[in-house]
Amino acid sequence: GNSVTQMEGPVTLSEEAFLTINCTYTATGYPSLFWYVQYPGEGLQLLLKATKADDKGSNKGFEATYRKETTSFHLEKGSVQVSDSAVYFCALHGSGNTGKLIFGQGTTLQVKP
Amino acid sequence: KAGVTQTPRYLIKTRGQQVTLSCSPISGHRSVSWYQQTPGQGLQFLFEYFSETQRNKGNFPGRFSGRQFSNSRSEMNVSTLELGDSALYLCASSLAGQGQLGDQETQYFGPGTRLLVL
Repeated sequence: GNSVTQMEGPVTLSEEAFLTINCTYTATGYPSLFWYVQYPGEGLQLLLKATKADDKGSNKGFEATYRKETTSFHLEKGSVQVSDSAVYFCALHGSGNTGKLIFGQGTTLQVKP
Repeated sequence: KAGVTQTPRYLIKTRGQQVTLSCSPISGHRSVSWYQQTPGQGLQFLFEYFSETQRNKGNFPGRFSGRQFSNSRSEMNVSTLELGDSALYLCASSLAGQGQLGDQETQYFGPGTRLLVL
């Protein structure tokens, strides 16, 4: 079945450091891929998405490229801020699987000043 | 446009009771999905409703049920609560079949209902 694997956390970085959170997936067909962010005590916020191979999603300085050859969708940001501290979830929506997102286990990011 | 709203935000129940959670989707969205989030199991899909019909279902016992109304608002019900049902319950809405192909599957989440079962 479809699945998503994220790198284990927590990830601790200093402000202005470069961020990479790895995400790989297993799916049949051509899934859509998403990154969501969750701040303490809140729901999930859509960060970015990509719906076909080689698409790059970007938002608020974050980027991720849909790589079908490596089945990956790694999240990157060139310079993190303290306000980026949160839990990040990679997710996929499989072809024909209506309304169902499959999530990775989440990666906690802590940015220190 | 207003986002997805969920009520109540917090709930405390005891084992054996039942609970009903409510979700109002973004205006114009016809699909509502429900998820359970726990520290141990992460985010797990419960079910999805579209035009008042359940179209997809996750691997949860029959104690978990839902419905959707003609205005797309949705409720989920958990009967005979167990301690393990303590979780954050999230609902999400999407266009599902409307708009551009790449946008149809994008889900927007509410703030969640935190349920504690004692």
